[in-house]
Amino acid sequence: DIQMTQSPSTLSASVGDRVTITCRASQNIFNWLAWYQQKPGKAPKLLIHKASSLQSGVPSRFSGSGSGTEFTLSISSLQPDDFATYYCQQYNTDSPWTFGQGTKVEIK
Amino acid sequence: QVQLQQSGPGLVKPSQTLSLTCAIYGDSVSSNSAAWNWIRQSPSRGLEWLGRTYYRSKWYNDYAISVKSRITINPDTSKNQFSLQLNSVTPEDTAVYYCARAPTTWGAFDIWGQGTMVTVSS
Repeated sequence: DIQMTQSPSTLSASVGDRVTITCRASQNIFNWLAWYQQKPGKAPKLLIHKASSLQSGVPSRFSGSGSGTEFTLSISSLQPDDFATYYCQQYNTDSPWTFGQGTKVEIK
Repeated sequence: QVQLQQSGPGLVKPSQTLSLTCAIYGDSVSSNSAAWNWIRQSPSRGLEWLGRTYYRSKWYNDYAISVKSRITINPDTSKNQFSLQLNSVTPEDTAVYYCARAPTTWGAFDIWGQGTMVTVSS
């Protein structure tokens, strides 16, 4: 299976900060990468698909980039509603779907 | 809009079968584009995709290798839902289970059920 590694595991930031989370794949996944936001007790919510396509209804302060094995999720100006855990997920056609271990964004 | 509603018991005894159902509203389990998935989440294993069912002129299933010998995912066209059965459960199967839709055969999960906490314990 393709391993997905996120960094950092925890990130402390303030409202208004620019935040970047990195996700690395153990092999080339082209642009078959999604990002999710999860809040306690809730299901994950799709933010970004195909590495950089913003899901409908998601604020434009979220953006994704990368291809191949290295990807980033950026939040341009952190809002109070953005404190949550973020996961990357690969959906390359040749491999079972796998997720990163998560990055918790907490209040500094 | 599309919604998924999960149902099923929250407590299962070791060696027995875990059974959950996901009812689909606003889409069809027989869709020729969507795929219907089960995913679980636990502190020890994180988010883990378990398997899926989808219809492309006939029914297909894919399962994760880790559970392949114990899992069955079935569509129910009469009720527009799909189900998960996981046999011979152990405490390691304790997790929150989610159903989720991928809008295309190879796509991200855009719609999720509310989640069901399943505990395996005697």
